[in-house]
Amino acid sequence: DVKVTQSSRYLVKRTGEKVFLECVQDMDHENMFWYRQDPGLGLRLIYFSYDVKMKEKGDIPEGYSVSREKKERFSLILESASTNQTSMYLCASSWGPGQGAYEQYFGPGTRLTVT
Amino acid sequence: AQSVAQPEDQVNVAEGNPLTVKCTYSVSGNPYLFWYVQYPNRGLQFLLKYITGDNLVKGSYGFEAEFNKSQTSFHLKKPSALVSDSALYFCAVRDMNSGYSTLTFGKGTMLLVSP
Repeated sequence: DVKVTQSSRYLVKRTGEKVFLECVQDMDHENMFWYRQDPGLGLRLIYFSYDVKMKEKGDIPEGYSVSREKKERFSLILESASTNQTSMYLCASSWGPGQGAYEQYFGPGTRLTVT
Repeated sequence: AQSVAQPEDQVNVAEGNPLTVKCTYSVSGNPYLFWYVQYPNRGLQFLLKYITGDNLVKGSYGFEAEFNKSQTSFHLKKPSALVSDSALYFCAVRDMNSGYSTLTFGKGTMLLVSP
């Protein structure tokens, strides 16, 4: 079974703090993704990576950065957390590359609250 | 650009009755289509996908989906609903010709199955 793990299920941070969300997958997947999920807005892609040290902006990258130093690990960084970044954050991974119909496998999510 | 619409925020059905969760999509080329389910406080789980070929796709937990190219739809169906099917359902699309394996998700439809 594919397993995608996220470092925390719940996290509470203060405005202005630097926040790290970690994601690890154990299936040697090329692609990894970070989404945020908000009620009524569905899932929105923040960043994705198709290879080690490679990253691409998704639909809502502002206020976020990412790091992928090893194939199995993809980190999401909030440089200076703000209250509008309170959300559920979901990590996913999938086989790549190219034009295959690869389903994504999701972690359990991190519910981040910024106060 | 690719997009997905799930026109119903919520679908209510009685246990034992058939259920349908609607999805329409827009892509410039041919689509790959996916359905995911999310149980409370969990990540998304893959249900099924359409790649090509037979328009009726069967997936996990007795769910199936029908691809209709002329109506650009991919509705999720189950012949007999269970209370345990109550969850949030997401439709997702990928244009076959897109370079990256990114998916665009709908906003989700809450399915409530009453006993």
